[in-house]
Amino acid sequence: DARVTQTPRHKVTEMGQEVTMRCQPILGHNTVFWYRQTMMQGLELLAYFRNRAPLDDSGMPKDRFSAEMPDATLATLKIQPSEPRDSAVYFCASGLIQAPQGEQFFGPGTRLTVL
Amino acid sequence: KNQVEQSPQSLIILEGKNCTLQCNYTVSPFSNLRWYKQDTGRGPVSLTIMTFSENTKSNGRYTATLDADTKQSSLHITASQLSDSASYICVVTTSPGGGNKLTFGTGTQLKVEL
Repeated sequence: DARVTQTPRHKVTEMGQEVTMRCQPILGHNTVFWYRQTMMQGLELLAYFRNRAPLDDSGMPKDRFSAEMPDATLATLKIQPSEPRDSAVYFCASGLIQAPQGEQFFGPGTRLTVL
Repeated sequence: KNQVEQSPQSLIILEGKNCTLQCNYTVSPFSNLRWYKQDTGRGPVSLTIMTFSENTKSNGRYTATLDADTKQSSLHITASQLSDSASYICVVTTSPGGGNKLTFGTGTQLKVEL
C-alpha cells in the first residue's frame, strides 16, 4: 500500500555535523511538506514544494537548513551545521494539490538528536 | 496572529467512555480545519477535514463539529478503546494568495485506561 517513507528513522550526531534526511513521497503526489515536531512547539511547517518547486520555506532557518527535490521521488532536508536545538522529529508529508481540501499523508518521521 | 488552541492539554478516560476535545482558532482567512490522530512514534493520520460550510463530519467513532462563527471545533470520541490513546491535533488551513498555510494546535494527549 502507498506510503511516505523517510530515512533514517533515527539519527544521533554531534553538534557541527551535517545531517541529511530523505523522504520518498507517495508516487504521483505533487506536493511535499517538511515539518518539525518538538514537545515545546508542536508541529511546525518548515518547507512546502509543489511540483518539485519550493513554494514556501519561510518556516526554515535559512542559514543552516536547506530543502530540495532533486526528482519527483526524493525530497531532502539538510542541516549544516547542526546544533542541539535542532533535536526534534522531522516529518515529511505528501499530497495532491487537486485533492479535496489538500489532504496530506505523513511519513513515520526521522528522530534527530544533536549532542 | 494566527493561533490554534486546544483543550484539554491531556485527558485520561476509562475504556468505553465518551470524550470531547476542543479546538479554538483565530486563523484568518479560513480554508479548512482538520483533526489528526498521532500515535506515539508515528506520523499524524487524518481523521476528518471540514470546510467552512460543513458543521459536522464523522469517521467511525470520531465525530468532528465546526462552528465557523465562533471559530470553534470539537472532536467527539464515542465508546473509547485502548487504541484511541494518542495525541489529537487540530490544524487550520488558510489559503492566502492560492497557497496553503497550516497552523497547528499543540494537541490533546488522550489516554484510555481499563
